[in-house]
Amino acid sequence: GAVVSQHPSRVICKSGTSVKIECRSLDFQATTMFWYRQFPKQSLMLMATSNEGSKATYEQGVEKDKFLINHASLTLSTLTVTSAHPEDSSFYICSASSGRGYNEQFFGPGTRLTVL
Amino acid sequence: GQQLNQSPQSMFIQEGEDVSMNCTSSSIFNTWLWYKQDPGEGPVLLIALYKAGELTSNGRLTAQFGITRKDSFLNISASIPSDVGIYFCAGHKKTSYDKVIFGPGTSLSVIP
Repeated sequence: GAVVSQHPSRVICKSGTSVKIECRSLDFQATTMFWYRQFPKQSLMLMATSNEGSKATYEQGVEKDKFLINHASLTLSTLTVTSAHPEDSSFYICSASSGRGYNEQFFGPGTRLTVL
Repeated sequence: GQQLNQSPQSMFIQEGEDVSMNCTSSSIFNTWLWYKQDPGEGPVLLIALYKAGELTSNGRLTAQFGITRKDSFLNISASIPSDVGIYFCAGHKKTSYDKVIFGPGTSLSVIP
């Protein structure tokens, strides 16, 4: 099956710093990538949808200036949490779609962000 | 906004028992998806359902797309310890492009 990787798997940072998380599709071209956030014991909440070469579409309530998304190539999307604060601590998960339908959405292993 | 409800919220069962969980919505979906998430991992797709009334199996797992298109259930037969995890249903509407809506999840614990 299709493989999606995320890097780093865990990151701890100080409040006020920025953190970049990478999402890569390893064996297929991802025309669309999705970024989710998951708090403990809660479901996945979609943050934004990104298409290669165009601006990301953010869900209501998600600050686009705080969560910068770049989908520069068909195999890489990045999420940058700018000026991170403790309330941004969460599990961030990306998924990638080959564009052939929603059932082709493959998830990465997630990145655990802890902001001190 | 759109919401999915899942029941039960959590369940504790003996190894070997069958499991049943379901997902409901106040609105119609065109596709129902069932995912399993292990601790600290991303979700993995178990079963996808595309038509009302569709019944699909994947090994010991069976899922059905409700006739009203507002619900779906997932059954696991003869549970084993590795079935432990969080099971999420997710719905998709054709008008939502590739976006899916996730339910709150059902936590499954299997007692050996």
